[in-house]
Amino acid sequence: DGGITQSPKYLFRKEGQNVTLSCEQNLNHDAMYWYRQDPGQGLRLIYYSQIVNDFQKGDIAEGYSVSREKKESFPLTVTSAQKNPTAFYLCASKRTVNQPQHFGDGTRLSIL
Amino acid sequence: QQQVKQSPQSLIVQKGGISIINCAYENTAFDYFPWYQQFPGKGPALLIAIRPDVSEKKEGRFTISFNKSAKQFSLHIMDSQPGDSATYFCAASKVIQGAQKLVFGQGTRLTINP
Repeated sequence: DGGITQSPKYLFRKEGQNVTLSCEQNLNHDAMYWYRQDPGQGLRLIYYSQIVNDFQKGDIAEGYSVSREKKESFPLTVTSAQKNPTAFYLCASKRTVNQPQHFGDGTRLSIL
Repeated sequence: QQQVKQSPQSLIVQKGGISIINCAYENTAFDYFPWYQQFPGKGPALLIAIRPDVSEKKEGRFTISFNKSAKQFSLHIMDSQPGDSATYFCAASKVIQGAQKLVFGQGTRLTINP
């Protein structure tokens, strides 16, 4: 089945540690996105990528980094510079400009 | 101008009733308005979407009403069922340098009482 796979489902980070969240899609979508979701808030855009080897900052990129070496993969690294990383992280992808975004089932990141 | 304001924050409806969630935006450059449904521990799933050249769109029990002059749009769920209990997000989209960017409302937690 085609879809977006995010792993792990739960992740714990220690102080000063970088952690990487995985996002893989087999939908042959060109564009991929990372969002952060906090309780009682909507989704906020962290980074997005329209093509391989290219990505742009979203509204809350500070403390995060991404790479897009393959079309199907868009990993997100939460660095130690992100002081409030506890959140639900969602990855999305879409085929073209006029198509809807499809979401994975998220990774919940917590601080130990 | 980038905000989408959604209300109410939470909503309780009896089974069989009509659920109504409202959203308002300011940026007239938005050209696509989707609604997403999210269950606990899951990612949002596209429910229904509308473009501003249409005032209403219906898919089954779900209807979007769109008022371009007021810059408001709403989701109506007819004959609400317990399985509709979820968090609903409205969003507004515009294309910037070839990329679609979605701005989400804060979400509405809908509970349908049996």
